[in-house]
Amino acid sequence: GGIITQTPKFLIGQEGQKLTLKCQQNFNHDTMYWYRQDSGKGLRLIYYSITENDLQKGDLSEGYDASREKKSSFSLTVTSAQKNEMAVFLCASSINWGVNYAEQFFGPGTRLTVL
Amino acid sequence: GQQVKQSSPSLTVQEGGILILNCDYENDMFDYFAWYKKYPDNSPTLLISVRSNVDKREDGRFTVFLNKSGKHFSLHITASQPEDTAVYLCAAGYTGYQNFYFGKGTSLTVIP
Repeated sequence: GGIITQTPKFLIGQEGQKLTLKCQQNFNHDTMYWYRQDSGKGLRLIYYSITENDLQKGDLSEGYDASREKKSSFSLTVTSAQKNEMAVFLCASSINWGVNYAEQFFGPGTRLTVL
Repeated sequence: GQQVKQSSPSLTVQEGGILILNCDYENDMFDYFAWYKKYPDNSPTLLISVRSNVDKREDGRFTVFLNKSGKHFSLHITASQPEDTAVYLCAAGYTGYQNFYFGKGTSLTVIP
């Protein structure tokens, strides 16, 4: 078994501010993901990384940067927070595609509010 | 466009009933299909998944049916229980490409 932790749990920012969200996993999974969840829009992929120092853009990457300095951690930066933005950011991890069904395990989420 | 679509935002069923959740997809390269379950204020967890080399997979009360020619897959839940009340997200992807697409979710309520 393993666990994914996300920090902070709640993040309140100001318009234009640069905000960083962090994710750690101890599954020893190769692939990590960042999703954004908005009400009525499901999960949308922002960035993913298949190994340390790798970055791949998802459909929603504009306005975000990501960093995978080591296998166990994946951080996401909102480059300029948008006023009245509210969303939950979910981090996930999975083993490499070719090995298994690539079940993704999700963290508890970071809830972002921009004032 | 949206790669994976769930047409029903919500469903309500009486306890003990059978229900079907539907999902349509656009990319015929998808070869892995999954249903995730999400309780309020919790993260999604994998419920059941299937690869494209089979058209059905059963796990207890849950069965996934895959119709590749119709680009459609569904989740059948039998003997529904109040604890099945949750949001169900369908998802799909394809081998060699780690990106993964989720539907918007169907909120299921099972009435005791």
